Amino acid sequence: KAGVTQTPRYLIKTRGQQVTLSCSPISGHRSVSWYQQTPGQGLQFLFEYFSETQRNKGNFPGRFSGRQFSNSRSEMNVSTLELGDSALYLCASSLEVAGVDEQFFGPGTRLTVL
Amino acid sequence: GENVEQHPSTLSVQEGDSAVIKCTYSDSASNYFPWYKQELGKRPQLIIDIRSNVGEKKDQRIAVTLNKTAKHFSLHITETQPEDSAVYFCAAAYAGGTSYGKLTFGQGTILTVHP
Repeated sequence: KAGVTQTPRYLIKTRGQQVTLSCSPISGHRSVSWYQQTPGQGLQFLFEYFSETQRNKGNFPGRFSGRQFSNSRSEMNVSTLELGDSALYLCASSLEVAGVDEQFFGPGTRLTVL
Repeated sequence: GENVEQHPSTLSVQEGDSAVIKCTYSDSASNYFPWYKQELGKRPQLIIDIRSNVGEKKDQRIAVTLNKTAKHFSLHITETQPEDSAVYFCAAAYAGGTSYGKLTFGQGTILTVHP
């Protein structure tokens, strides 16, 4: 089975721009979670989608949004980029129907904001 | 919300020694505790997990113990090898509730195994 994939792997943007990141989960997985990883804050939960619905959201500003498509692929969008948004963005997929289950991570998208 | 503290932040051992990483959590409702290994430039990979209905779980050289009363859990790696060198993250979550998809992570432990 193919693992979780993310595109693009690297992005360089300037302040004020917006960016869209994509995540394709493992086949059959319907839950996709997104995390931000930085040296200072570690791994922080952004949001989770299941069957095209956002079921849970972390403590990030409204500039961070996401969506999920009928094939379970997910995208996250960050608008009006700030320098502090520079991070590794990881998505994880799981089979979970309720609660939390084993999550498989993608390789991440490294976003640099200049 | 849940808060997870992880210690130590760095750990250096000689090949063949054991390594122990400890985590404490704050939310007594948490019942799922995974450990992830992240090598430099790579994705986090699940190495072992435990649910609150068991106190210990082993997988070859890796074991995890859970003390629900004290709200802490630990990762034990025996007979360490240089390839065990990586950053290890603990996490906690409430499986079965409405905390869909949300893992709360510790800050990570940089493990270095010297040959």
